[in-house]
Amino acid sequence: AQSVAQPEDQVNVAEGNPLTVKCTYSVSGNPYLFWYVQYPNRGLQFLLKYITGDNLVKGSYGFEAEFNKSQTSFHLKKPSALVSDSALYFCAVSSRDNTDKLIFGTGTRLQVFP
Amino acid sequence: EAQVTQNPRYLITVTGKKLTVTCSQNMNHEYMSWYRQDPGLGLRQIYYSMNVEVTDKGDVPEGYKVSRKEKRNFPLILESPSPNQTSLYFCASSPRAGLSYNEQFFGPGTRLTVL
Repeated sequence: AQSVAQPEDQVNVAEGNPLTVKCTYSVSGNPYLFWYVQYPNRGLQFLLKYITGDNLVKGSYGFEAEFNKSQTSFHLKKPSALVSDSALYFCAVSSRDNTDKLIFGTGTRLQVFP
Repeated sequence: EAQVTQNPRYLITVTGKKLTVTCSQNMNHEYMSWYRQDPGLGLRQIYYSMNVEVTDKGDVPEGYKVSRKEKRNFPLILESPSPNQTSLYFCASSPRAGLSYNEQFFGPGTRLTVL
């Protein structure tokens, strides 16, 4: 069965510092991995995805994520956090073996302090 | 503008009073889905539809119904709402081709409170 774990409910970081939001997954077959962001009172917005190829994926708003097959991880990163990055972040996984399903993690709240 | 719209955005109702949350997309997407978001549980899929007149249960379908009579619309129906259906609901759509690796487009959400 597919599953996604986001081990941190909340991540706090000072503005200007690098940030990492962790995600690990379990899936049969090759995974397709996604990050979505939810700002207050808004729907989810797509940030980036890994399908195949380069393990480092770049997305919107300066975010990037690194796919690590051996550690089954897909951590979200940004070199320099902004206060405006404060939001709820969701990792999600699907696979070619299970095309109907997109499984979401429980979400990580990112708080960037001035 | 390409978008997914939901109505209403906020709804307070009472136990047992039937309600419908509408969802519409203007991107000609075949795939549409409903999720509920609860604290500590993330997003869980309620129902999804691969195309007109084709619907399937997701992970938490109990107490919900859906229909897909037109490609653009995918309403969520609660025949007899109960307090445990108090939640934040999202509709999403995506092209069916490459479904597993295409991003989904989400509506703004409907916050439902059942008293």
